[in-house]
Amino acid sequence: NAGVIQTPRHKVTGKGQEATLWCEPISGHSAVFWYRQTIVQGLEFLTYFRNQAPIDDSGMPKERFSAQMPNQSHSTLKIQSTQPQDSAVYLCASSGQGSYEQYFGPGTRLTVL
Amino acid sequence: QQKVQQSPESLSVPEGGMASLNCTSSDRNFQYFWWYRQHSGEGPKALMSIFSDGDKKEGRFTAHLNKASLHVSLHIRDSQPSDSALYFCAASSNYNVLYFGSGTKLTVEP
Repeated sequence: NAGVIQTPRHKVTGKGQEATLWCEPISGHSAVFWYRQTIVQGLEFLTYFRNQAPIDDSGMPKERFSAQMPNQSHSTLKIQSTQPQDSAVYLCASSGQGSYEQYFGPGTRLTVL
Repeated sequence: QQKVQQSPESLSVPEGGMASLNCTSSDRNFQYFWWYRQHSGEGPKALMSIFSDGDKKEGRFTAHLNKASLHVSLHIRDSQPSDSALYFCAASSNYNVLYFGSGTKLTVEP
């Protein structure tokens, strides 16, 4: 079991560019969660999917951020027109059917210059 | 305002000592609590969950929950240098979305 896989591990973008972050959940897990971690704000929930359907995106900034789960084996988080304040570690987690434990990936460190 | 408050911000204990971490929620909808541990460069990893009042023990780790006061604590006995990490308390109202505290940095000194 490889655990949750996130790619890339590090991404550097210029201000105004687009960034796409990838997450591969643990095989067989039905829920995928996205969180953001910064020194100032800590760990913040962004959005989650269950059985590929979007369930709750209450933590997502309404502008510039979007998430998709086109199939059960991967989810993407896209940030358009990146800003320096988007710099953070973006964490993906998955959980299995009937289990409430969330398994986190190692994160993608996004740096916006 | 953060929904989950954690203390202390940092904690240093000697090897073999007891570490005690605290967490309080301000949202009465939160009924389910977890403790997560994060080592540098890694994602958080669940240590244990606690959903009922009282104590829950797993090896060297004991969690205590008081639902009336929405207070949860984590006690680590016989602390080891490998326990040095960031510890997060997380709360949820529906088993799904987790709201995390700001974390406690634990250092276990050999």
